[in-house]
Amino acid sequence: GAGVSQSPSNKVTEKGKDVELRCDPISGHTALYWYRQRLGQGLEFLIYFQGNSAPDKSGLPSDRFSAERTGESVSTLTIQRTQQEDSAVYLCASSLWRDQPQHFGDGTRLSIL
Amino acid sequence: GENVEQHPSTLSVQEGDSAVIKCTYSDSASNYFPWYKQELGKRPQLIIDIRSNVGEKKDQRIAVTLNKTAKHFSLHITETQPEDSAVYFCAASSNDYKLSFGAGTTVTVRA
Repeated sequence: GAGVSQSPSNKVTEKGKDVELRCDPISGHTALYWYRQRLGQGLEFLIYFQGNSAPDKSGLPSDRFSAERTGESVSTLTIQRTQQEDSAVYLCASSLWRDQPQHFGDGTRLSIL
Repeated sequence: GENVEQHPSTLSVQEGDSAVIKCTYSDSASNYFPWYKQELGKRPQLIIDIRSNVGEKKDQRIAVTLNKTAKHFSLHITETQPEDSAVYFCAASSNDYKLSFGAGTTVTVRA
């Protein structure tokens, strides 16, 4: 596709449930990033993938958060036992290489009831 | 870790006037500084970026300046138009990939 694609665009779930968010990067982009954006705030780095290298998970806020990516393809961000403070927009970005401009998807708006 | 502060949080300008947004960063090793524009409900869009080996970069009505000694960088928008109304985010990176973002500036251009 022409840009980074994320699904679902919106997700409403009950507290305690698990959720899985998906990101399709721009074709050929080796680097992929997840960020979280709380209402009215800037973006917080969560995790970075570069090819088959070990990911940088330093931004994940707790062990309830995990992410996977196989090679240079789709990535999934999983949040287990969701809490109300997890409500936010989760944005995915990709870049050609690690030091290249990052291009964002439209995000998944997650609401925890 | 890197800490980026952005000012002002809101900015209202008359159409045709200039808008300036300033950011400071804490990590002297930071070497990449992008600016993103985010319209309501939309994805952040990269509008301009600068690396630490240059002091200024321009693209039509948008310019960014960098002062490494003072650890601050600024976005300048000239001849503002209604379509410039959006939230603008600055960011900094010291390791080529992890971006630390400012809290954003809501710019309103009054017709």
